[in-house]
Amino acid sequence: GAGVSQSPRYKVAKRGQDVALRCDPISGHVSLFWYQQALGQGPEFLTYFQNEAQLDKSGLPSDRFFAERPEGSVSTLKIQRTQQEDSAVYLCASSSGPRSYNEQFFGPGTRLTVL
Amino acid sequence: AQSVTQLDSQVPVFEEAPVELRCNYSSSVSVYLFWYVQYPNQGLQLLLKYLSGSTLVKGINGFEAEFNKSQTSFHLRKPSVHISDTAEYFCAVGSQKLVFGQGTRLTINP
Repeated sequence: GAGVSQSPRYKVAKRGQDVALRCDPISGHVSLFWYQQALGQGPEFLTYFQNEAQLDKSGLPSDRFFAERPEGSVSTLKIQRTQQEDSAVYLCASSSGPRSYNEQFFGPGTRLTVL
Repeated sequence: AQSVTQLDSQVPVFEEAPVELRCNYSSSVSVYLFWYVQYPNQGLQLLLKYLSGSTLVKGINGFEAEFNKSQTSFHLRKPSVHISDTAEYFCAVGSQKLVFGQGTRLTINP
């Protein structure tokens, strides 16, 4: 079956622009996670949804970052007034349940480059 | 708080040689441990996980890992590597959101 998909795969933005990154989780998966992976680093947690509820947003680095999942399926991560330090790969993962023993399936990521 | 330390940023080995990728963790709560593999331009794929029970965990592609509570380690091993194992490997800990190490790049030389 289809895995987690993300779009766009690559995004180049000028500093100060707003961007929106989309994640389509595996159908029926209730949990959705966003991670940020800087070059040469491991992924770092940004935020977590269970269905449409955003239960944890402790990893969002600033109020310029905003995520939503209004219907409990597709999610969008929005970054306002992008800055160079936002350049990274943004990974989305989904799982069938809320605990990490429910395997998280990762998408291919969106590589964001801010010039 | 939870954290993961991967002791080697790069590990070069010859094809068909054994390999061990080291991972140490710290956690104040019950531990779930994971190893993920990331091939170039692809998402992370789960290799194996430790939730409870037997401390020796077997995963896909011939990999295994051993949970050692006293040493707070979860090292990944493979007895004989193949060129196709060239990738970045991440150790992670978590009960919901995952905390990842910085990764170990495994390169296989023919």
